[in-house]
Amino acid sequence: AQSVTQLDSQVPVFEEAPVELRCNYSSSVSVYLFWYVQYPNQGLQLLLKYLSGSTLVKGINGFEAEFNKSQTSFHLRKPSVHISDTAEYFCAVTPNTGFQKLVFGTGTRLLVSP
Amino acid sequence: EAGVAQSPRYKIIEKRQSVAFWCNPISGHATLYWYQQILGQGPKLLIQFQNNGVVDDSQLPKDRFSAERLKGVDSTLKIQPAKLEDSAVYLCASSLSTDSPLHFGNGTRLTVT
Repeated sequence: AQSVTQLDSQVPVFEEAPVELRCNYSSSVSVYLFWYVQYPNQGLQLLLKYLSGSTLVKGINGFEAEFNKSQTSFHLRKPSVHISDTAEYFCAVTPNTGFQKLVFGTGTRLLVSP
Repeated sequence: EAGVAQSPRYKIIEKRQSVAFWCNPISGHATLYWYQQILGQGPKLLIQFQNNGVVDDSQLPKDRFSAERLKGVDSTLKIQPAKLEDSAVYLCASSLSTDSPLHFGNGTRLTVT
């Protein structure tokens, strides 16, 4: 079985500052990794995904994440955040046999203030 | 393309009442999922359909929850009778296949009083 740990429940940051949201996973098999964003009262939107190949993955809205197999991590980064990035961010994992059986972390709330 | 449609957006019921949620996936998407998202937690898979057949319902509390996907398109999720701990957002998602990324609807927020 897979599991995901998002250590930070909330990350406050000032506008235009860089941010990193941490994600660690556990799995006995190879995995696919995802970051989703959830704005208030909305569903989840896919930010980026790692399937294979380059460990640095670029997504929408200027976000990127780096897969580190030895540390079983998939941290999300953005060099300069905007107020509009305020949202809940979820890391998710699934066995690399498909996109089903997604297991989500508990989420990190990013709070961007002016 | 139109996204995953869910209704209602909000529902408030008393415990022991019944409730149903509806989901219309993106056209052509064979795989449909229902997730439960309790406040402060990540979404948890309840049931997965491939066309009109159930692929995985191992985490569905079958004593009170039921779901169907007639004709392999729309789906309904029902809770009968509801308990306080069922208060959550119920998310529907669809994908072209099990090898494709999921697209989520905006969810139905259920409050059980």
